[in-house]
Amino acid sequence: EDKVVQSPLSLVVHEGDTVTLNCSYEVTNFRSLLWYKQEKKAPTFLFMLTSSGIEKKSGRLSSILDKKELFSILNITATQTGDSAVYLCAVARILNTGNQFYFGTGTSLTVIP
Amino acid sequence: DTEVTQTPKHLVMGMTNKKSLKCEQHMGHRAMYWYKQKAKKPPELMFVYSYEKLSINESVPSRFSPECPNSSLLNLHLHALQPEDSALYLCASSIRPGLTHTDTQYFGPGTRLTVL
Repeated sequence: EDKVVQSPLSLVVHEGDTVTLNCSYEVTNFRSLLWYKQEKKAPTFLFMLTSSGIEKKSGRLSSILDKKELFSILNITATQTGDSAVYLCAVARILNTGNQFYFGTGTSLTVIP
Repeated sequence: DTEVTQTPKHLVMGMTNKKSLKCEQHMGHRAMYWYKQKAKKPPELMFVYSYEKLSINESVPSRFSPECPNSSLLNLHLHALQPEDSALYLCASSIRPGLTHTDTQYFGPGTRLTVL
C-alpha cells in the first residue's frame, strides 16, 4: 500500500533554533516529492525534489531527497515565529493518465518568541 | 499570474440543498484537482481531470459530482450532502499531466463548507 509518513507530528521550538522535518515514503511509480507550508488556508509550495542528493535551498529553508532510502528532510535554520505552520510532504506518482499526489499527515511546527 | 481562484470562500448548506463550488485558473494548466481536507488532517485527493477529462476518481460518493467545462474551469456539484462532508475543499492545478514532465501543484485558497 502506498504511504507517506512524516515525523515528528508536532514540534515546539524557540526562535533561532534549527529544525529538521522528516518525510519517508513507499510509493510505486515515484515521480517527485514536494514540500508545502500550510498556515490557515491553502498549502503553499516550497520545494519539488526529483533527484537524490541535490539540495534545494530557499533562504533559511533547504531540502534534500534520498531515493535509495526513500526519504526527504526539510531543514529550517534560525527559525522565526512566522515559520509556525503545518509542513506537508507530498509524493507524486506516475499514472498513465497523469500524476497522482499522496500527502503525509504533516508536521505542525510552533516557534515560540 | 500563478493564481488559482475558488468561489465561494465559505458555504453553508442543508442536507437537501444543491450547490456548486467553482475553481478557475488561467495559467494554461491542463491538470486540475479537487481535494477534501478535514481539520488537522492532510488533503485527500478526490478527483483529477487531465485535459478536461476525468482521469482519477478516488471512490468519492456520487453526491459529489465534478465537471470540467473547459481547460480553465473546474466545478464540484454538491447534492444531498451529510454533516460529515463539512471540510475545506481545495482545488489545485498543475502544468501538464503525462509521463515525461514533472510539475508542481498550485492550490487555490479553498472553500470552507459546512453542512447542517
